[in-house]
Amino acid sequence: SQQGEEDPQALSIQEGENATMNCSYKTSINNLQWYRQNSGRGLVHLILIRSNEREKHSGRLRVTLDTSKKSSSLLITASRAADTASYFCANEINSGNTPLVFGKGTRLSVIA
Amino acid sequence: KAGVTQTPRYLIKTRGQQVTLSCSPISGHRSVSWYQQTPGQGLQFLFEYFSETQRNKGNFPGRFSGRQFSNSRSEMNVSTLELGDSALYLCASSSWTSGVEQFFGPGTRLTVL
Repeated sequence: SQQGEEDPQALSIQEGENATMNCSYKTSINNLQWYRQNSGRGLVHLILIRSNEREKHSGRLRVTLDTSKKSSSLLITASRAADTASYFCANEINSGNTPLVFGKGTRLSVIA
Repeated sequence: KAGVTQTPRYLIKTRGQQVTLSCSPISGHRSVSWYQQTPGQGLQFLFEYFSETQRNKGNFPGRFSGRQFSNSRSEMNVSTLELGDSALYLCASSSWTSGVEQFFGPGTRLTVL
């Protein structure tokens, strides 16, 4: 399977702490994206990082990409209860004309 | 801009019936993708349409089909429903076929009894 894998599957932290989620993938990619999903709803795009980028920031989010290890990480700083959601990485394979491949997600719970 | 809309939001069907789900993409977006989400299998790609042409198809049986109209609206159809088809069906639109973010609709929750 070309599906990526997130680690951990579930994470529970206190409000104010940082949350780190990791994603591994199997083939060369054009880009990697992170999405958030609140329970039973549609996904919301968080950030896209291209294969020639190593780090990207957006507000309290920091994403890194290590193409040599075929891995990415999402860091949420100073977490809030509203950050409670599932987080998915999705990669676009570098072979053209292929859809995004989603991992199974990390379920983050932020406790107030 | 209005977001991606999906209708209906909830649907209950019985085994053997067929169902049609609809997706209206963001204005100006020509690419529409469909995904099935279940607790066991996660998000699985169904198909992608661009300018009325199917560009990609996932590993689903022929009972799953789709189409896209000239105004980029898309429909997917599932015939001869099975219990295992119960899932959240998500539609996503994007401005291009690669290298860009996808905008997801709220999904259609299909329950097959």
